[in-house]
Amino acid sequence: DAKTTQPNSMESNEEEPVHLPCNHSTISGTDYIHWYRQLPSQGPEYVIHGLTSNVNNRMASLAIAEDRKSSTLILHRATLRDAAVYYCILSRTYKYIFGTGTRLKVLA
Amino acid sequence: DGGITQSPKYLFRKEGQNVTLSCEQNLNHDAMYWYRQDPGQGLRLIYYSQIVNDFQKGDIAEGYSVSREKKESFPLTVTSAQKNPTAFYLCASRQGAVYGYTFGSGTRLTVV
Repeated sequence: DAKTTQPNSMESNEEEPVHLPCNHSTISGTDYIHWYRQLPSQGPEYVIHGLTSNVNNRMASLAIAEDRKSSTLILHRATLRDAAVYYCILSRTYKYIFGTGTRLKVLA
Repeated sequence: DGGITQSPKYLFRKEGQNVTLSCEQNLNHDAMYWYRQDPGQGLRLIYYSQIVNDFQKGDIAEGYSVSREKKESFPLTVTSAQKNPTAFYLCASRQGAVYGYTFGSGTRLTVV
């Protein structure tokens, strides 16, 4: 199964942009890159996904490297409510494999 | 609004007892999943079902059982054979490999 690598934790100041990296060197041509976030004691929440081109939605932006071996989730202005664990996942088959994700801490 | 409902939110079980966790979705999704999450860890796949009356084992299926008699429902039974059942259990569904998961709010199971 496809594996992703993320830093264990990151910190950001409130109202500043945050760039969360993800490496996925074994990605195949048909794998979609999905990002989720999870607040304590809640189910993960969908954030964004993409295949080759950069993607934007109301929550975030997803920048995908040209070789697709890495991607970056961009939160344009971090708020305290963005403090969560962020998971980067490759959708290869009918199931995801979750890693331990990146715990984002937002400082007021 | 469409979504996934897990019940109960908290569940306590005595050692040696079986317990069933409920998961219902009204999204008309074909695929449904059960994940387990331990403190500070990522999610691990227990079972998944792509269509009614069919399901496959995930990475940690031992001590668990499921059924998929209706498209909307995918209950998980934690049996007495599961040695360490205390965990946070998450149900999810999705329509196709391209689309994202929708997760329920989870059931926290504690063995007392």
